[in-house]
Amino acid sequence: DQQVKQNSPSLSVQEGRISILNCDYTNSMFDYFLWYKKYPAEGPTFLISISSIKDKNEDGRFTVFLNKSAKHLSLHIVPSQPGDSAVYFCAANVLGGSNYKLTFGKGTLLTVNP
Amino acid sequence: DVKVTQSSRYLVKRTGEKVFLECVQDMDHENMFWYRQDPGLGLRLIYFSYDVKMKEKGDIPEGYSVSREKKERFSLILESASTNQTSMYLCASSLGQVNTEAFFGQGTRLTVV
Repeated sequence: DQQVKQNSPSLSVQEGRISILNCDYTNSMFDYFLWYKKYPAEGPTFLISISSIKDKNEDGRFTVFLNKSAKHLSLHIVPSQPGDSAVYFCAANVLGGSNYKLTFGKGTLLTVNP
Repeated sequence: DVKVTQSSRYLVKRTGEKVFLECVQDMDHENMFWYRQDPGLGLRLIYFSYDVKMKEKGDIPEGYSVSREKKERFSLILESASTNQTSMYLCASSLGQVNTEAFFGQGTRLTVV
């Protein structure tokens, strides 16, 4: 059973416009959510995170929104740049877990066209 | 900067071989993880360790084992490599007891022929 779902395998956006990547989760015990970015042949790099006590976190061009009642989070990139083209993974962590393992979604390939 | 280093970027092994993938982190992190990434399947957890000599199975441990004899080093072992273990393998580490991000190595692309 997939606990973290990214239902869009790919997204294409024009440079300068907003990119919105979505993520849904089923486990209500998740209390910490992260977004990672991955280029081909490289390891994922951390982008931004949000705790369940917040509904928004912003870092430069990147904003993550969390809707706990809907079990939904989204990553907004404004403005999108060609260098943002990568696979984006949503990840979540279990409340009270002692080992802090991350559960990942399948990823969304973002392509930003010049 | 946190550094997680995987011993090889690319490996080609034959079916039936025993394969060792090594990972070292330099930030004194308690938690270490091994994931594999496959197209359309995302990142799947194979094994993780939250302390020296401690290990726990992830979602897909079959065909793999791990070793953590020192805090900074976490090894993934394929006892008898098979073609369905061809994949990108990613090691990660994170600080224990707090909610924080995991840091990943650069990945090892393993091909089993």
